Amino acid sequence: DIQMTQSPSSLSASVGDRVAITCRASRSISGFVNWYQQKPGKAPKLLVSGASSLPSGVPSRFSGSGSGTDFTLTISSLQPEDFATYFCQQSYHSPYAFGQGTKVEVK
Amino acid sequence: QVQVVESGGGVVQPGRSLRLSCVASGFTFSNHAMHWVRQAPGKGLEWVAVTSYDGSNKYYADSVKGRFTISRDNSNNTLYLQMNSLNTGDTALYYCVRESPPYGSGSYSWFDPWGQGTLVIVSS
Repeated sequence: DIQMTQSPSSLSASVGDRVAITCRASRSISGFVNWYQQKPGKAPKLLVSGASSLPSGVPSRFSGSGSGTDFTLTISSLQPEDFATYFCQQSYHSPYAFGQGTKVEVK
Repeated sequence: QVQVVESGGGVVQPGRSLRLSCVASGFTFSNHAMHWVRQAPGKGLEWVAVTSYDGSNKYYADSVKGRFTISRDNSNNTLYLQMNSLNTGDTALYYCVRESPPYGSGSYSWFDPWGQGTLVIVSS
């Protein structure tokens, strides 16, 4: 099975900060990584698919990068609505593991 | 509007069974693989099971294999999760999720949309 190791588990940041969250796969998975944002009491929302593609409606301050085993979600300038928990996920093969999550909190 | 709506959660005693349902609308249900993902209170996301677009292939997380069964009724746009021999570790919010793109449409896949979830509490 492919494991996804996400870091950090939490971070504190201020509005306007650049934030980076990383995810490492236990073996190479090409670009089969997705990122999701989850706010309290809400379902997860797709942010990035295929490691770097932004779905329609996702602000351009979000970006994804990486291939193989190492992936990064970057928020270029943190906005108040971005304080949430972020999860990576591999879609290469069943079981479709998620990372442990990164909670982005107000500094 | 593309959406999936779960139902069937509730409080159940350990060892008992429960069946979750998910009704899809706004898209061609029979073209998409469908998943169940769960989230224990205050915890992360755990993938549970997937069924292919036509129900011919099904895969499960080790934690539920042999106890849970995923199925679908393409004529009624409905996904199911039959959960047997429930234990306290199965307590979670269960999400129904569509896999995109449709079967045969591309390489990378992703989960969208997610339902709002149905809560299962296993307790004596």
